[in-house]
Amino acid sequence: QQQVKQSPQSLIVQKGGISIINCAYENTAFDYFPWYQQFPGKGPALLIAIRPDVSEKKEGRFTISFNKSAKQFSLHIMDSQPGDSATYFCAALPNSGYALNFGKGTSLLVTP
Amino acid sequence: DAGVIQSPRHEVTEMGQEVTLRCKPISGHDYLFWYRQTMMRGLELLIYFNNNVPIDDSGMPEDRFSAKMPNASFSTLKIQPSEPRDSAVYFCASSLVTPQETQYFGPGTRLLVL
Repeated sequence: QQQVKQSPQSLIVQKGGISIINCAYENTAFDYFPWYQQFPGKGPALLIAIRPDVSEKKEGRFTISFNKSAKQFSLHIMDSQPGDSATYFCAALPNSGYALNFGKGTSLLVTP
Repeated sequence: DAGVIQSPRHEVTEMGQEVTLRCKPISGHDYLFWYRQTMMRGLELLIYFNNNVPIDDSGMPEDRFSAKMPNASFSTLKIQPSEPRDSAVYFCASSLVTPQETQYFGPGTRLLVL
C-alpha cells in the first residue's frame, strides 16, 4: 500500500522553466518530508527536506511547499536546467518510526 | 569518506541460485537500511538495523530473503533460492544517529535472475 502518492509520473520541462512535482499523504503521524534526487545508475541522494512546522523551505532553485491541512507537499524547481534531469522521489517519515515511505518517483527531463 | 559501498554492482544469476549482496556503511553511522527498487513498486524498505541489531524486517518479502550485520562496517542481504521476480536494484543506505538524519544511499546492486 503506497502511503505517499506522487504525481506526475514523468515531466518534460524546457530549460528555464519551472518543474513542479506533487505528493500527498494520509498518515497524520508523518512529520518529516524529504525529497531525494536520483541520477541513472546512482543511488538516491537527499535534495531538500521539510518538517510540518513550516509551510515552505527554499534552498537555491529548489523549494518545498507544504500544506498540512491538505496533507500535500510539492517540490518546485525554478529555472530548470538540463542537469536537473533525474528521477525525484518524495518521502515521508512518521514521528515515531524509522522507515521512509517513498513515492513512486517522477522522471524529469529538462530539454535545452 | 568514500560513502556507502556496495558490491557487486551487477549480478546475473540463474533461478535457484544463492545471491549475496554486500554493504559497507559510512563509518560511524548507527542505522543501516536495505531497499529494493523496481519499476512496479518503486523504492521499498526491506529491513533496517540499529547498532548492528535488526529492528524491523517486515519489508522482507519472503523467507528466501535474509540479512545480517555481523559488525558496524558490514552487512549482507542474501536471497536463497533466487527467483526471476527478485530482479531489481538493491540499495543499502546508512544514517547517523536517527533515520530523520539524511540517509546516504550506496550506488546499488543491479540483480538479474534468469
